Amino acid sequence: NAGVTQTPKFRILKIGQSMTLQCTQDMNHNYMYWYRQDPGMGLKLIYYSVGAGITDKGEVPNGYNVSRSTTEDFPLRLELAAPSQTSVYFCASSYPSTGGTDTQYFGPGTRLTVL
Amino acid sequence: QKEVEQDPGPLSVPEGAIVSLNCTYSNSAFQYFMWYRQYSRKGPELLMYTYSSGNKEDGRFTAQVDKSSKYISLFIRDSQPSDSATYLCAMSGYGNKLVFGAGTILRVKS
Repeated sequence: NAGVTQTPKFRILKIGQSMTLQCTQDMNHNYMYWYRQDPGMGLKLIYYSVGAGITDKGEVPNGYNVSRSTTEDFPLRLELAAPSQTSVYFCASSYPSTGGTDTQYFGPGTRLTVL
Repeated sequence: QKEVEQDPGPLSVPEGAIVSLNCTYSNSAFQYFMWYRQYSRKGPELLMYTYSSGNKEDGRFTAQVDKSSKYISLFIRDSQPSDSATYLCAMSGYGNKLVFGAGTILRVKS
């Protein structure tokens, strides 16, 4: 099992450019998440998905879009990149428990700089 | 007021010391409490998971939850240089999304 994989590892964008951050998991997890992590700010949820074809906004969705066409893949799209989107982006996945909360497994992250 | 407060540190201790990491929270609906460990330039990994109040021990690690005070702790006994990482607390209510603390940077000096 590779777990959760993310590409690219690093990227530098110019203001106004767009890009897609890729996320794939091979654990057959239903739930997938995108977070951003800024220094001293913890992890903020951008978007999440409870299954193929179903996505919903998290705490900080502005400037991002997602799609979920398969169980395995959950790409994050940045349109019109801005310096405020400079961050480390983590994808996570989990299998919903029958009760309570679920354990999330994280990918290695994508470091994005917007100049 | 943030839902979850965590002292960012950094916390620097000598090898062998007992480490105490703490979070406070304001949402009384939180029932599930987790500690994630994050090594430099890596993704977070789940370290400990507890439900409601009480203690849970796993090797050198002990997690405590005091719901009456809205306070959770992670204790590390006999700390090792390999424990140097950022420790994130996370919590949620039933079926809800995780809310993370800002993370505490821990450095264990050999």
